[in-house]
Amino acid sequence: GDSVTQMEGPVTLSEEAFLTINCTYTATGYPSLFWYVQYPGEGLQLLLKATKADDKGSNKGFEATYRKETTSFHLEKGSVQVSDSAVYFCALIEGAQKLVFGQGTRLTINP
Amino acid sequence: DAGITQSPRHKVTETGTPVTLRCHQTENHRYMYWYRQDPGHGLRLIHYSYGVKDTDKGEVSDGYSVSRSKTEDFLLTLESATSSQTSVYFCAISEGGGQAREQYFGPGTRLTVT
Repeated sequence: GDSVTQMEGPVTLSEEAFLTINCTYTATGYPSLFWYVQYPGEGLQLLLKATKADDKGSNKGFEATYRKETTSFHLEKGSVQVSDSAVYFCALIEGAQKLVFGQGTRLTINP
Repeated sequence: DAGITQSPRHKVTETGTPVTLRCHQTENHRYMYWYRQDPGHGLRLIHYSYGVKDTDKGEVSDGYSVSRSKTEDFLLTLESATSSQTSVYFCAISEGGGQAREQYFGPGTRLTVT
């Protein structure tokens, strides 16, 4: 079946550092790809999405590009802030609106 | 914020007891989902519903049942709770109708089975 693999965490960075969280996927068809973020004690929120190859999703300074040739959807941000500390999940949709998630990457930003 | 509430928010129960978790939405969305979140596994789909009385199994459905008698409510039942069902449970909703529809998540229910 379809699957998503994220880089293992936790990831700890200093404020204003460059962030990359790797995500690769396996899918039989042409999935839509998502990044969700979970702040402490809360549910998941959609951060960005891309629905076809070469699409770039972006939100709050975060970006990710749907790369079909490398089956990847890496999350990047040029300058992280303490408020970006959270758990980040890469996910894909496979038929019937069912999300398949990666295992999550915990990000901590130190001032 | 999407109007999704979950109850209870926290529950401690004993092995072998039945437990029902409730998800309530005010958005009139067609699709509703139950996920569980465990360290190292991300979120895994338990069951989902695509309409009133229309439900289907997800990846980890064993030991769980669901019911949806009204558009706004989706119930998850553990018939006889086990320690392996200790987890955080999230409900989500979606309008459906297309592959890229966003799912909106509730605040979660932390369940501990002792």
